[in-house]
Amino acid sequence: SAVISQKPSRDICQRGTSLTIQCQVDSQVTMMFWYRQQPGQSLTLIATANQGSEATYESGFVIDKFPISRPNLTFSTLTVSNMSPEDSSIYLCSATGSGRARYTGELFFGEGSRLTVL
Amino acid sequence: GQNIDQPTEMTATEGAIVQINCTYQTSGFNGLFWYQQHAGEAPTFLSYNVLDGLEEKGRFSSFLSRSKGYSYLLLKELQMKDSASYLCAVPPRGGNNRKLIWGLGTSLAVNP
Repeated sequence: SAVISQKPSRDICQRGTSLTIQCQVDSQVTMMFWYRQQPGQSLTLIATANQGSEATYESGFVIDKFPISRPNLTFSTLTVSNMSPEDSSIYLCSATGSGRARYTGELFFGEGSRLTVL
Repeated sequence: GQNIDQPTEMTATEGAIVQINCTYQTSGFNGLFWYQQHAGEAPTFLSYNVLDGLEEKGRFSSFLSRSKGYSYLLLKELQMKDSASYLCAVPPRGGNNRKLIWGLGTSLAVNP
C-alpha cells in the first residue's frame, strides 16, 4: 500500500489568486495523478504527474490553469491558478502502489484538499 | 465510448443486506474496481474483479459478469459506519489500468 499526505486539507481563497497543493507519498511510486471531485460529481482526472517532465493533461485541463510538478518519485504539487468560484472543489492526489496493486491498477488517495473560492 | 451507470442513492437498515449495482460499457475489459468513500474522506479500495463470479471478502462481496457488463457490490450485516458513497470504476480503452473511468457513485444511507 501507499500512504499519501496532502496539504492543505482545506482553504478559502479569493478570486484571482493561486494556490499550490502538495502531495507526499511514503514510498516510491510509479504513477501519480491529480483528480478533482466537485460536489455531487464523480472523480475527474486532471492529469498524470510525470517525474522530471511535463504532466499529461486530460481533455479540458491545461497547464496554464493547473501547473503540476513532480521533482521525484514521492512528491508532487498541483497549482490552481487564477481561481474562480467554479474551481471550488476537492482536489485529490492519488498514486499506484507496489506489488499486486501495481498490476491491477489499484489507486491510493490522499485525504483531499477542499478549496472554496469566494 | 466508456460509460458507467450506478444508482444515485440507496437506503438500508442496520443489520440488513444491500446490493449496489453497476453496469458498464467498454471497448475491451481490464477489470472493475469498487471503492468506498466516506463523506469528506478519500476513496479507499474495496475490490477488484477481472474474472466472472463472486469474490467474498468479509462482509463485502463483489460480483462480475463480463458478458452482461454488470457488477454488484454486496454488503452484509450492515453497520452504521457503512454509510458512504460506493464508486464503481473501470480502466479505459487501451487497458491503461491507472487511468480509471469512474461512476458517479452510489450514496448509501444505513439507518438504525
